[in-house]
Amino acid sequence: KQEVTQIPAALSVPEGENLVLNCSFTDSAIYNLQWFRQDPGKGLTSLLLIQSSQREQTSGRLNASLDKSSGRSTLYIAASQPGDSATYLCAVITDSSYKLIFGSGTRLLVRP
Amino acid sequence: GAGVSQSPRYKVAKRGQDVALRCDPISGHVSLFWYQQALGQGPEFLTYFQNEAQLDKSGLPSDRFFAERPEGSVSTLKIQRTQQEDSAVYLCASSSSTSGRNEQYFGPGTRLTVT
Repeated sequence: KQEVTQIPAALSVPEGENLVLNCSFTDSAIYNLQWFRQDPGKGLTSLLLIQSSQREQTSGRLNASLDKSSGRSTLYIAASQPGDSATYLCAVITDSSYKLIFGSGTRLLVRP
Repeated sequence: GAGVSQSPRYKVAKRGQDVALRCDPISGHVSLFWYQQALGQGPEFLTYFQNEAQLDKSGLPSDRFFAERPEGSVSTLKIQRTQQEDSAVYLCASSSSTSGRNEQYFGPGTRLTVT
């Protein structure tokens, strides 16, 4: 059974700092991996999607990497801003399915 | 509309009441998903539709939960005889692919509180 874990559960950093969020999954047979952002009381906004054949994806100040063999992904946020404060969720779709399997998220606070 | 919409955004129900939650997917999206998100947790899969066909309902927690998508567009998640453990945010997502394995786009969710 696929399980997704995110570390740390919460993170507080000063504005301007570069930071890394971690995601690990137990079954390396994944179809793709997505990183989402969730603001309080809001739905999920897709940030980056990495297909299983890819190693990384970039969008603006965000860079996500994928290492299937080790069951890990990282989300790198450069030059963090208070507006980046949110919960970041990692989710995978396994090769045999279509269901997104989520981690519990990392709550990020960027202090001005 | 441009994105997935859900209504109502908030619902308070007394224990034992029936509730109906609506999802309007992105126009033309074939695949539709429902997820349940408990406080402080990631969303968990409930059910999957491809057009009007409910292909997977393995995540529905009990037979009090029922979902439909009769015309292959709007979907309704119904919960009968609500219990306190049903309190959660219910998220709907849609995808353009018939396999449902492309990017899923989420609505804002319905926060259900059962008192």
